[in-house]
Amino acid sequence: GAVVSQHPSRVICKSGTSVKIECRSLDFQATTMFWYRQFPKQSLMLMATSNEGSKATYEQGVEKDKFLINHASLTLSTLTVTSAHPEDSSFYICSASVEDEQYFGPGTRLTVT
Amino acid sequence: DAKTTQPPSMDCAEGRAANLPCNHSTISGNEYVYWYRQIHSQGPQYIIHGLKNNETNEMASLIITEDRKSSTLILPHATLRDTAVYYCIVRFLSGGSNYKLTFGKGTLLTVNP
Repeated sequence: GAVVSQHPSRVICKSGTSVKIECRSLDFQATTMFWYRQFPKQSLMLMATSNEGSKATYEQGVEKDKFLINHASLTLSTLTVTSAHPEDSSFYICSASVEDEQYFGPGTRLTVT
Repeated sequence: DAKTTQPPSMDCAEGRAANLPCNHSTISGNEYVYWYRQIHSQGPQYIIHGLKNNETNEMASLIITEDRKSSTLILPHATLRDTAVYYCIVRFLSGGSNYKLTFGKGTLLTVNP
């Protein structure tokens, strides 16, 4: 149980385009989902906390207009990287929480050319 | 949340026990010790957590000192698949699901054949 999926697992896009990443809790309902970013050889950095039906809470330094988060249902949250640039290339990981525990997705490797 | 200190890297021979230390000297009375691991290019995986008592599950054992200022994660019979970055995190166990995990740099455990 407690499986979280992400789609796509890898994406390559051109600079200036937007990319949407989906995070789904497959066998449970998650009122809260989290989005992390991880650059090479670095640790996970929390970007935002997303609650179903309300606006996401962004961490300091994360541009909310660039990283759009939608949490429309208890099993789906999406992260859209708008006007992506090469410096946005990273490993994006979501997690979903249930009963005070967080379960992580497999991650999405974004490469912006 | 309290900060943790872990060695940046450790090596272990396959089949031997791997003992990963973590210092959390500023931990408060109601903060839990959590351990996650991240295999290369995957999302983090929950291992174990505890408050005061030692804990054991099918993956590992967690030994917490009596003063709770440090802990040790023990993988009793390390395999090559246990090669990963191991994160020690302390956090409150809130009544709700809206909490954050703060990842440090972790310990890169390399299991050698």
